[in-house]
Amino acid sequence: DGGITQSPKYLFRKEGQNVTLSCEQNLNHDAMYWYRQDPGQGLRLIYYSQIVNDFQKGDIAEGYSVSREKKESFPLTVTSAQKNPTAFYLCASSTVGEASGIQETQYFGPGTRLLVL
Amino acid sequence: GQNIDQPTEMTATEGAIVQINCTYQTSGFNGLFWYQQHAGEAPTFLSYNVLDGLEEKGRFSSVLSRSKGYSYLLLKELQMKDSASYLCAVMDSNYQLIWGAGTKLIIKP
Repeated sequence: DGGITQSPKYLFRKEGQNVTLSCEQNLNHDAMYWYRQDPGQGLRLIYYSQIVNDFQKGDIAEGYSVSREKKESFPLTVTSAQKNPTAFYLCASSTVGEASGIQETQYFGPGTRLLVL
Repeated sequence: GQNIDQPTEMTATEGAIVQINCTYQTSGFNGLFWYQQHAGEAPTFLSYNVLDGLEEKGRFSSVLSRSKGYSYLLLKELQMKDSASYLCAVMDSNYQLIWGAGTKLIIKP
């Protein structure tokens, strides 16, 4: 069964702690994305990657870091520099048009809810 | 700046029809997406419009007017399971998705 998995479903962070959210996909998608969702707001892009070993900052990258060592995996680290990390974090992936190089429809994982203790 | 506007919340009756509107002001336009998101779950893809007109998928239809910067999602024969948030997103000139805050749809028996 192809899909995107995220773990854990819930994550608790203590002050000054870095935490890492996992995202894995077996859809053979080239592009992967991390979003943050807060109540009453649209999804905001944190980081995205269109190819292994390359990634770009989104609109709210400060306090976050990512890596893309494998096509299937795009983990997100929420660092202690992120002062307001409580949110629902969504990972997505998409194909990239071969001729156009443009991202296509994004498909989402089930999300991780991060809470601060 | 870039902006996507959707009503915050709508209420409709089971079996009825509801129209959820989305207006956008973006730097460029490369398509508009609708997603459904049940509370606490991932958004799931519903439809994509890049040309003016209608896209139909079962009980759900989406319409786009690029000249008006406007789209709507039409849900027919509403079922209780349609209670969810509906997210509108526009792909801008940089091929980045700009997301609306979503419309929470409440279905009453």
